[in-house]
Amino acid sequence: GQQVMQIPQYQHVQEGEDFTTYCNSSTTLSNIQWYKQRPGGHPVFLIQLVKSGEVKKQKRLTFQFGEAKKNSSLHITATQTTDVGTYFCAETAYGGATNKLIFGTGTLLAVQP
Amino acid sequence: EAGVTQFPSHSVIEKGQTVTLRCDPISGHDNLYWYRRVMGKEIKFLLHFVKESKQDESGMPNNRFLAERTGGTYSTLKVQPAELEDSGVYFCASSQVYRVGEQYFGPGTRLTVT
Repeated sequence: GQQVMQIPQYQHVQEGEDFTTYCNSSTTLSNIQWYKQRPGGHPVFLIQLVKSGEVKKQKRLTFQFGEAKKNSSLHITATQTTDVGTYFCAETAYGGATNKLIFGTGTLLAVQP
Repeated sequence: EAGVTQFPSHSVIEKGQTVTLRCDPISGHDNLYWYRRVMGKEIKFLLHFVKESKQDESGMPNNRFLAERTGGTYSTLKVQPAELEDSGVYFCASSQVYRVGEQYFGPGTRLTVT
């Protein structure tokens, strides 16, 4: 079945350092979504990428979709303690009448003040 | 605008008992999904409703799980009888018809089966 891998599984950084998580698929992705889940919280939608090579920015966050649409990345510049949480990429799987999200394995980010 | 709500927030039951989880989606969202996250692993899809119709229940683990969406509004997920491996956090999410990738998640129900 479809599987989306993320690396790293865990990243510990000092506040102010940059952070990047990568999402990889063995098959071509129709699109990619990024979600953030704070500890004890629920996934919160961050962004959707659809086009090959697309780059979107949200303040200190930069999202990229690979040219071949098989990978994506999320880069955070100058991390803050509020960035702590698990970052998931997810593909919307279209098949018949469904449009479920297939989540990546997630990257847990810890930020030390 | 009220977000997705779920009840209860926590449930601790013994193996063999029954538990019913409830989800109230955002008003006007026809799409309703159930997901589960077990022991810090990835979030896995369980099923998808469009209004009151089940569109995809391919993620339901087995026939001990039953989901309903009465009148296309709130949804319930019943686990009967519960097993130890059913423990985890059950999330409900909803989305608008044409913005399916942008799903709004509820706070989740943490289910512990002892």
